[in-house]
Amino acid sequence: GEDVEQSLFLSVREGDSSVINCTYTDSSSTYLYWYKQEPGAGLQLLTYIFSNMDMKQDQRLTVLLNKKDKHLSLRIADTQTGDSAIYFCAASSGSARQLTFGSGTQLTVLP
Amino acid sequence: DAGITQSPRHKVTETGTPVTLRCHQTENHRYMYWYRQDPGHGLRLIHYSYGVKDTDKGEVSDGYSVSRSKTEDFLLTLESATSSQTSVYFCAISEQIEQYFGPGTRLTVT
Repeated sequence: GEDVEQSLFLSVREGDSSVINCTYTDSSSTYLYWYKQEPGAGLQLLTYIFSNMDMKQDQRLTVLLNKKDKHLSLRIADTQTGDSAIYFCAASSGSARQLTFGSGTQLTVLP
Repeated sequence: DAGITQSPRHKVTETGTPVTLRCHQTENHRYMYWYRQDPGHGLRLIHYSYGVKDTDKGEVSDGYSVSRSKTEDFLLTLESATSSQTSVYFCAISEQIEQYFGPGTRLTVT
């Protein structure tokens, strides 16, 4: 089955850019997603990209997809303290677009 | 925010007792999912539904059953709870591409 991997931790300074990376194994994944989870809360959908796209930009968020290497990244421009959270990468498969998640990257934004 | 509620939000139960968690949506979305979240594992799919009375197993379905008798409700049942089922349980809904998550239920099995 699908396997999705992420690095566990990332620290950046406020105002810098953050880049969170993710790799996946199933080349037939149709959509790739980024979710944000704050402490004690559910998952907030940030953005997603269709597998035949290379890039998607949404305000401060830029998603890059390298389908050949099965590598996905999320760039957050001008990172703020409110961006501190766990970020999950997920890949969809199957007719019901079931999601397989990575373990999450804990982003810490330092003042 | 998508109209998804989960009940209860917190539950403590004893090993061997049955437990049912409820997910309710007001969006009339076709697909509903149950995931569990454990440290170091991200979220893992337990069961999902693609319509009323239509359900299928996910990656970690052993020890769990589900039912969907109405579009808006998706129930997750632990027939005989075990300590390994202590987790945070999330329900999600989807109609096309986006999948939206509920607030979660924290279940502790003692």
